[in-house]
Amino acid sequence: EAQVTQNPRYLITVTGKKLTVTCSQNMNHEYMSWYRQDPGLGLRQIYYSMNVEVTDKGDVPEGYKVSRKEKRNFPLILESPSPNQTSLYFCASSPTGRARMDRTGQFFGPGTRLTVL
Amino acid sequence: LAKTTQPISMDSYEGQEVNITCSHNNIATNDYITWYQQFPSQGPRFIIQGYKTKVTNEVASLFIPADRKSSTLSLPRVSLSDTAVYYCLVGSGSARQLTFGSGTQLTVLP
Repeated sequence: EAQVTQNPRYLITVTGKKLTVTCSQNMNHEYMSWYRQDPGLGLRQIYYSMNVEVTDKGDVPEGYKVSRKEKRNFPLILESPSPNQTSLYFCASSPTGRARMDRTGQFFGPGTRLTVL
Repeated sequence: LAKTTQPISMDSYEGQEVNITCSHNNIATNDYITWYQQFPSQGPRFIIQGYKTKVTNEVASLFIPADRKSSTLSLPRVSLSDTAVYYCLVGSGSARQLTFGSGTQLTVLP
């Protein structure tokens, strides 16, 4: 089954404790992205990757890191989490990241609900 | 980056046709219009995408007038399970421009 998986689905942690949220897709997509969703603010893009070893900042990259060493994986790293990073996080992928070619849009993962105390 | 404006919420009844309009006055020549659906605590799901005129698939139709400054998502005969948030996105070749707005909360009533 074609899918985007995220782990963990739920995480409660404390300020300053490094964490990684994993994202994996099995569709051989070039493009992957991370979003956070907060009430009243919609979905905001954190980082995206157009291909292996190619990453760039989205709208809200502060406090986050990413890496793209393999095509299928795109982990989100919080080196020193803070309470304002409490949010619902989504990973997404699409074939190319270009609307005119990705006629089926982005595929989203199930989400990771993170709470930073 | 084309900004989009949608109604915050809409109510409808089962069996009715629902039309959700999105305004994107500064859409660029290369921009495509994409609509997503999101249920609570789930990731958005692609519904339909278009560039101009009308596009139809098995779940919805997308109407885009000649000036492309707006678009209308049409959901035929909605059911309770269509209650969700619907997002309109405008973007072209750069993934950097895939910005979601606040969306429209559609509530389908029995």
